[in-house]
Amino acid sequence: NAGVTQTPKFRILKIGQSMTLQCAQDMNHNYMYWYRQDPGMGLKLIYYSVGAGITDKGEVPNGYNVSRSTTEDFPLRLELAAPSQTSVYFCASSYSAGGNEQYFGPGTRLTVT
Amino acid sequence: QKEVEQDPGPLSVPEGAIVSLNCTYSNSAFQYFMWYRQYSRKGPELLMYTYSSGNKEDGRFTAQVDKSSKYISLFIRDSQPSDSATYLCAMSVLLDTGNQFYFGTGTSLTVIP
Repeated sequence: NAGVTQTPKFRILKIGQSMTLQCAQDMNHNYMYWYRQDPGMGLKLIYYSVGAGITDKGEVPNGYNVSRSTTEDFPLRLELAAPSQTSVYFCASSYSAGGNEQYFGPGTRLTVT
Repeated sequence: QKEVEQDPGPLSVPEGAIVSLNCTYSNSAFQYFMWYRQYSRKGPELLMYTYSSGNKEDGRFTAQVDKSSKYISLFIRDSQPSDSATYLCAMSVLLDTGNQFYFGTGTSLTVIP
């Protein structure tokens, strides 16, 4: 199993540009999450999904959108990039509602200038 | 007040030392308590989780939870240079929509050979 994969690893965006961060998992997990990690701030939940077709906002959803058309994929969309979105983005998955074992991807390092 | 408080360090210890990492929390509804290890430029990986007060041991690692004091600890015995990483505590509460996770900001640990 590849686990949780994320692409790209690095990206530099200009202000106002758009991009999609890709996330895929091959563990047949129902639950998927997007976090951002800023220095000294810990992990903040952006969006999460409890299954295909179902998504919900986390703590910091503004400026982002998600979709979940399949169990495997959970892309994160940035529509109008802003410098405040410079961060490291992690995708994670877990098996069930009570599943405490979250598996994280390697992250995407995004810089908006 | 933050849900989870964690001393960011950095912490530097000689090889073979016992390391103590700590977090406090404010929400008495938290049910599960986890420790993640994150190497530089990698995603977090789950080290240990527990759901009750007391100690849980796994090799050189011991997780301790004191729900009455809202305090959790991770002890690393016989620390090795390979333990050099950032350690994140995390806690979760099970809501109707699944587990809601809250992360500490992480403690940076360096084990000096």
